[in-house]
Amino acid sequence: TQLLEQSPQFLSIQEGENLTVYCNSSSVFSSLQWYRQEPGEGPVLLVTVVTGGEVKKLKRLTFQFGDARKDSSLHITAAQPGDTGLYLCAGVSGGTSYGKLTFGQGTILTVHP
Amino acid sequence: DAGITQSPRHKVTETGTPVTLRCHQTENHRYMYWYRQDPGHGLRLIHYSYGVKDTDKGEVSDGYSVSRSKTEDFLLTLESATSSQTSVYFCAISVGGYSGNTIYFGEGSWLTVV
Repeated sequence: TQLLEQSPQFLSIQEGENLTVYCNSSSVFSSLQWYRQEPGEGPVLLVTVVTGGEVKKLKRLTFQFGDARKDSSLHITAAQPGDTGLYLCAGVSGGTSYGKLTFGQGTILTVHP
Repeated sequence: DAGITQSPRHKVTETGTPVTLRCHQTENHRYMYWYRQDPGHGLRLIHYSYGVKDTDKGEVSDGYSVSRSKTEDFLLTLESATSSQTSVYFCAISVGGYSGNTIYFGEGSWLTVV
């Protein structure tokens, strides 16, 4: 069974601070995705990283995929209250697994004004 | 929302009763999934389907069955609901159907088993 360990589980910061969320596994994934989920809604895809060492930027969010494709990080610069939510990483299995996702436990981020 | 509709959105049921959750999609995508979300566990795959009448188990399939008689509908059934099945259930589709493609989730079905 593939596992993804996500940390920290909870993060409470002030507006303007920077933060990093980590996602680690002992398994190799064909790609890794980051989702954001609002209360009462389903997860929404933020980004997919595919290549080892890949870095993608989405405004103030920077996503990195580890060289060995076993770990990833999400860095938010100058966090805003609108960034508050649940952030989930998910490993994508390839081959005959038809894109099944293995999720981390999630990070609940609260950004205080 | 990729045209995914889940029903019912909220349900309270008694232990031992059967429950069926429905996922409906409007875009004829081949791959569909049922996940459950519980605190501290993220989302875990229950069952998935790769076509009409083609389904397979995920990591937490015990106590659940699925059926897909039409491309657009994927049903999740709890034959005899237990309190441990109290959870939020999400249906998802894979656009394109292969790893790395975009997964879209429905809005969730909140199930409480009392």
